[in-house]
Amino acid sequence: EVQLLESGGGLVQPGGSLRLSCAASGFTFNSYAMSWVRQAPGKGLEWVSAISGGGGSTYYADSVKGQFIISRDSSKNTLYLQMNSLRAEDTAVYFCAKAGAYSTGAPFDSWGQGTLVTVSS
Amino acid sequence: DIVMTQSPDSLAVSLGERATINCKSSQSVLYSSNNNNYLAWYQQKPGQPPKLLISWASTRESGVPDRFSGSGSGTDFTLTISSLQAEDVAVYYCQQHYHVPITFGQGTRLEIK
Repeated sequence: EVQLLESGGGLVQPGGSLRLSCAASGFTFNSYAMSWVRQAPGKGLEWVSAISGGGGSTYYADSVKGQFIISRDSSKNTLYLQMNSLRAEDTAVYFCAKAGAYSTGAPFDSWGQGTLVTVSS
Repeated sequence: DIVMTQSPDSLAVSLGERATINCKSSQSVLYSSNNNNYLAWYQQKPGQPPKLLISWASTRESGVPDRFSGSGSGTDFTLTISSLQAEDVAVYYCQQHYHVPITFGQGTRLEIK
């Protein structure tokens, strides 16, 4: 059974940094692309970033480009999102999601429960 | 960027009746080389993560009731629930995964009338 468990969320002041983690199990981690998707309170889904199965290709939404860094560690079966220079509009539940293929061109067939990031002074 | 537009924004349907949600993409998400539409449908219930219902526009995921179906090609897609059940109350999203940035529709809230 695929399991994705996010951690690292919390309250952070504007301008601060946070690193999210997503521990994966139940599948061959480095065979599948992974993404981060966020959902602001009461709002819809926004794709944030993706990384290919091997980690060689990374992609970002314009809204976070140059601010967030996605990475993965296959030895730990863990996906990361380093979030810098955080702003109030980054406040959201952040989900990690597994794509159905090595590259990003596949739907997200498994999702974690999400971790809440609140940016506020 | 490919813009995904769903209609309606909200929908109230009686139990046992049909529910139809539309999704339109600003450009085609059909890849001619493999004839696949890079379009997925997700269901999100309150306090839960999204769940993949339909992939490649019309392939129902394992375990998804057969009252859920997807159709369409190119730029116009439809999610149909043939006979609404109480447990289908949720927000439904379409998503294109053809081009980065991956984009979602704004969501359609489905309620019981």
